[in-house]
Amino acid sequence: GQNIDQPTEMTATEGAIVQINCTYQTSGFNGLFWYQQHAGEAPTFLSYNVLDGLEEKGRFSSFLSRSKGYSYLLLKELQMKDSASYLCAVLNTNAGKSTFGDGTTLTVKP
Amino acid sequence: ETGVTQTPRHLVMGMTNKKSLKCEQHLGHNAMYWYKQSAKKPLELMFVYNFKEQTENNSVPSRFSPECPNSSHLFLHLHTLQPEDSALYLCASSQEADSPYGYTFGSGTRLTVV
Repeated sequence: GQNIDQPTEMTATEGAIVQINCTYQTSGFNGLFWYQQHAGEAPTFLSYNVLDGLEEKGRFSSFLSRSKGYSYLLLKELQMKDSASYLCAVLNTNAGKSTFGDGTTLTVKP
Repeated sequence: ETGVTQTPRHLVMGMTNKKSLKCEQHLGHNAMYWYKQSAKKPLELMFVYNFKEQTENNSVPSRFSPECPNSSHLFLHLHTLQPEDSALYLCASSQEADSPYGYTFGSGTRLTVV
């Protein structure tokens, strides 16, 4: 089975940096995704990590440590529009099966 | 629009009704998915189709019946649902079933069972 944990809620200030953590336990690992979901909208793909290390994409970066079963999403220079739910999802070796965490609701305040 | 279109956006149905949810994508993707999103619960995988073949049925009750007539269309047929089935039903697609480019989600159908 799979178990994915991420904080339920986080609050940060506009212009700051925030790190959203995700830990997972899985019987087979084939990559980890981060998605962003604004209220009432579809989740949108942010990043994919399958090898250890940091992937940077503009203001967003994602890190993976396979040995620790750990990932984080780093958001820099926060903007009000970054207020959303951030979903961590693990792709396991059963083709096409992504299991999602509960999501972290991030609130960015002025 | 994300490239994955779901209809209807909202649906209210009685427990004895039969209705269908529709999902359509013209992204050239070969894998399509149904997910259920309930309040305060994670996205739950329901069904996976890869090249029109169902590859995953995640212990979903038989009152939910998927259909994939071609790689661009996916349906979810609903009958004799329960109030606890009220949720947001999300369709997604990907290049193939284990694509590193992730899923493209539709905006979902908000289902209320009364």
